[in-house]
Amino acid sequence: GAGVSQSPRYKVAKRGQDVALRCDPISGHVSLFWYQQALGQGPEFLTYFQNEAQLDKSGLPSDRFFAERPEGSVSTLKIQRTQQEDSAVYLCASSPYTGLTYNEQFFGPGTRLTVL
Amino acid sequence: QKEVEQDPGPLSVPEGAIVSLNCTYSNSAFQYFMWYRQYSRKGPELLMYTYSSGNKEDGRFTAQVDKSSKYISLFIRDSQPSDSATYLCAMSGRSNDYKLSFGAGTTVTVRA
Repeated sequence: GAGVSQSPRYKVAKRGQDVALRCDPISGHVSLFWYQQALGQGPEFLTYFQNEAQLDKSGLPSDRFFAERPEGSVSTLKIQRTQQEDSAVYLCASSPYTGLTYNEQFFGPGTRLTVL
Repeated sequence: QKEVEQDPGPLSVPEGAIVSLNCTYSNSAFQYFMWYRQYSRKGPELLMYTYSSGNKEDGRFTAQVDKSSKYISLFIRDSQPSDSATYLCAMSGRSNDYKLSFGAGTTVTVRA
């Protein structure tokens, strides 16, 4: 079956622009995660959804970052007034179970954001 | 200091060699330990998962966890050029086990 898909795969934004990154999780997966991966680094947790509820947003680096999953399926990560330090790969992952304990997370290919 | 430390390499080995990768960590609450493989321009893919201390083997891959030393390892036997990738260790187990903490990743090249 289809895995996690993300769009766009590449995004170039001018500093100060708003961007929206989309994640389509594996069908039926309850849990959805966003991670930020800077160049040469491992992914860093941003936020976690269980269905449509955002249960943890402790990793969002500033109030310019906002994520939603209104119908418990597709999710959008929005970054307002982008800065150069926002340049990174944004990874989405989903899991078929609730995230209260460890379960395998299936990652998408990521969106590479470059802010000029 | 980061919670999870991993030597970024790069590591280059000839085909057929044993690849040895490791991570150290500082948070004693970690109890789930994972190794992910990430090819260029792709998302991470789970290779091995271990709960608590001990060894786990899956084909050419062996994962070891030593919680007393806060040290985990991944060994790849009979390495192949297709094993060339970045290998990320990850762990979880604080109050929210879903929140993975990753190492920086080690880039491995297996030369034919």
